[in-house]
Amino acid sequence: TQLLEQSPQFLSIQEGENLTVYCNSSSVFSSLQWYRQEPGEGPVLLVTVVTGGEVKKLKRLTFQFGDARKDSSLHITAAQPGDTGLYLCAGATGTASKLTFGTGTRLQVTL
Amino acid sequence: GAVVSQHPSWVICKSGTSVKIECRSLDFQATTMFWYRQFPKQSLMLMATSNEGSKATYEQGVEKDKFLINHASLTLSTLTVTSAHPEDSSFYICSASGMWDTQYFGPGTRLTVL
Repeated sequence: TQLLEQSPQFLSIQEGENLTVYCNSSSVFSSLQWYRQEPGEGPVLLVTVVTGGEVKKLKRLTFQFGDARKDSSLHITAAQPGDTGLYLCAGATGTASKLTFGTGTRLQVTL
Repeated sequence: GAVVSQHPSWVICKSGTSVKIECRSLDFQATTMFWYRQFPKQSLMLMATSNEGSKATYEQGVEKDKFLINHASLTLSTLTVTSAHPEDSSFYICSASGMWDTQYFGPGTRLTVL
């Protein structure tokens, strides 16, 4: 069974602070996605990383895929209350684009 | 583009009854649809994968006779929870993928079994 462990599980920070969320596995993935989910809603795709060592930036969010394609990180600069939510990484393998979701990181950004 | 809808958004039912949840891809043809379950404060757990016109593939530990999945067309998949019990109460989320393999998620359906 492929497992994706995220750390930290929960993070409460103040507006303006920086943070990093980690997503680790012992398995290799063909691609890795990051999602944000708000209560009562489905996950919304933030980014897909495919190449080992790849770095993608989405405004204040920076995503990195590990060289061995087993881990990833999400860095948020100058967090805002609107960043509050559940962040999920998900690794894709093999056929039918099946995804294995990480354990999740719940972020709370306060004023 | 790539919008996925679910209906209903929430449902309350009595123990022992069956509940059907629909998942539709509104603006693309979904060759594959996925059904997930999410318990409070937890991540998404894949229940099954379905391809149009063929039987669904269930993940280990998911009862196929309890969670009936039908993927009758390229835009519609249904999940029927048969003889629902309180422990089936959860947030059920579907996703759909087309030719680009990216999964697009629906807004989820909250099921409460009394």
